[in-house]
Amino acid sequence: QVQLVQSGAEVKKPGASVKVSCKASGYTLTSYYMHWVRQVPGQGLEWMGIINPSGGDTTYAQKFQGRVIMTRDTSTSTVYLELNSLKSEDTAVYYCAREATVLDSWGQGTLVTVSS
Amino acid sequence: QSALTQPASVSGSPGQSITISCTGISSDLGGYNYVSWYQQHPGKAPKLMIFDVSNRPSGVSNRFSGSKSGSTASLTISGLQAEDEADYYCSSYTSNRPVVFGGGTKLTVL
Repeated sequence: QVQLVQSGAEVKKPGASVKVSCKASGYTLTSYYMHWVRQVPGQGLEWMGIINPSGGDTTYAQKFQGRVIMTRDTSTSTVYLELNSLKSEDTAVYYCAREATVLDSWGQGTLVTVSS
Repeated sequence: QSALTQPASVSGSPGQSITISCTGISSDLGGYNYVSWYQQHPGKAPKLMIFDVSNRPSGVSNRFSGSKSGSTASLTISGLQAEDEADYYCSSYTSNRPVVFGGGTKLTVL
């Protein structure tokens, strides 16, 4: 069955960078787009961007342009989210989600805490 | 682009039916039949409940149904059960980015 397993929780200082991984299994990574969605504690879902694991092309939400990089490693069926210049407001749970016309499978989420 | 508009909370008693609305504009929800609904229990990842306005993925109870009229979509849950208590989010395809979400609705089963 389809599984998306994300890396563990991170604690970072303001100004630092974080890289979250999402390992896919149960299907061919390059056959489906992957989205990243975040959720600030107590708030709603916020779309961050999308990567085509086949070609590596990406589209980012305007809010994160210049600070976010999404990449993939097809040899390990893993996609990555890197967020730079972290601020306290970036404290959130970050999810990867597979798009099969809709976001049908989600990772378990990775809590990133930004604190001095 | 602004999020889709949902009520902050709804409630109902076991066995009753409730409806959650989701309002957008012509460039998102109003322009496409790609509306999805997600259920999220505390501390858990969202789960797809409805896609393409009214379709249920395999394994989702037929107590969940979706519809759309103009720029407003609706999720109806019939025969409310305690396990339905959760946050619900709508989402839609948009003309200028792949996905926009609603602000979320907290469902309380009384």
